[in-house]
Formats: sequence, C-alpha cells, structure tokens
Amino acid sequence: DAGVIQSPRHEVTEMGQEVTLRCKPISGHNSLFWYRQTMMRGLELLIYFNNNVPIDDSGMPEDRFSAKMPNASFSTLKIQPSEPRDSAVYFCASHTGDTVNSPLHFGNGTRLTVT
Amino acid sequence: QQQVKQSPQSLIVQKGGISIINCAYENTAFDYFPWYQQFPGKGPALLIAIRPDVSEKKEGRFTISFNKSAKQFSLHIMDSQPGDSATYFCAAKIGNNRLAFGKGNQVVVIP
Repeated sequence: DAGVIQSPRHEVTEMGQEVTLRCKPISGHNSLFWYRQTMMRGLELLIYFNNNVPIDDSGMPEDRFSAKMPNASFSTLKIQPSEPRDSAVYFCASHTGDTVNSPLHFGNGTRLTVT
Repeated sequence: QQQVKQSPQSLIVQKGGISIINCAYENTAFDYFPWYQQFPGKGPALLIAIRPDVSEKKEGRFTISFNKSAKQFSLHIMDSQPGDSATYFCAAKIGNNRLAFGKGNQVVVIP
C-alpha cells in the first residue's frame, strides 16, 4: 500500500498565480479530507468528501479556494489567485469509513510558499 | 472556536523520562479521542486512541488516561526516547463526524 500520495511536495509561487495541489487517496478509502497546517492555527480542516461528494466545505477560507474530486482516486485543491497568507503545509488524508473510528491516513503534505 | 485545547505547547524531556501531554475538550458528546504523532516532513499518523467508556489504554510505552468528569485526557510516554521527538496532536469527534484537532505539542527528547 503506497499510502496517500500528494504532489508536489514543495511549491513556490508568486502572489496572484494559480496553485493546484493534488492528492491520490488510498485505494478503497471512500472519504477524503484536505487540511492546512500553520504554526498559528495548527491543523485546520478545509473540506472533506464522502464517495467523491463534498460534504462540508465550511473550512474553505474564501472563494479563492476550490476543491474537486472527479473520481475515487484523485482530488485537487486549487487556490486562485494565491496570496502570501496562503503559505502553509497542505495535507490530504483519507479513511475507509467502514467503521466509525477508522483512522485517518495522511499524506506527507505539500509545502506552499507564496511570495 | 478551539474545541480541543492542548498543553503544554512544547516539552523537553530527558531520555528515559516520562512525557505527559494534556488535552481538554468542551463537548461532552465527543465519543472518540485519538492522539496523532507527526515527524518533521511527514503527515500525522494515528498513535493511540480511547473511547470514554474506559479510563486508561496502554499500547507499549504509550498510555492514554481519560478523565470524563474533568473533560480531560492525556498522553503519557514512558521511558521517552530521542525517536519519540515529534509533534503530538490530540483530537476528538462524535460518531462519523469530522475530527477536531488540537494545535499540537512539540516534544523533544534529549539524550
């Protein structure tokens, strides 16, 4: 099992540019989560999907952020236009949902720097 | 609103000592309390978890103590090792709802 795969590992971009982060969940997992991690705010849930359908996007900071899950094996998080305050580590996580307390499996994150 | 609050923010422990991290929660409906461990450059990973119907759970050197009346739970790392140096997150949830994470505690174990 390759685990949750995120790409790229690092992204450096200029303010105003579009950024797309990618995630491949563990095969068979039907729930997918996007988190943002910063020193000040810790781990913040941005959005999560169940069976490819967005369930709760209340954590998405503003309209500049959007997420899609076109199929069970792929999701994207897009920021357009990016701003310096978006600099953070973005994690994707998945779990099976087969049991109520199935553990979240996190990818290794994408470190985004917006200059 | 932070639903789960951790303390202390950071901890330095001598090798062989005991690391203790505390977590307090507000919502009495929470029914699942995990701790996640994160190493630099990696995503968090489930370390150990407890349900509120038990007061303690032990897995190897890691123990969760749960105090329902005080709405607190803690992680104890016995015989701390340099390899335990990491950030530890407590979390809580209700049923199938999403996890609410604390802000994390950085633990440094010095040789």
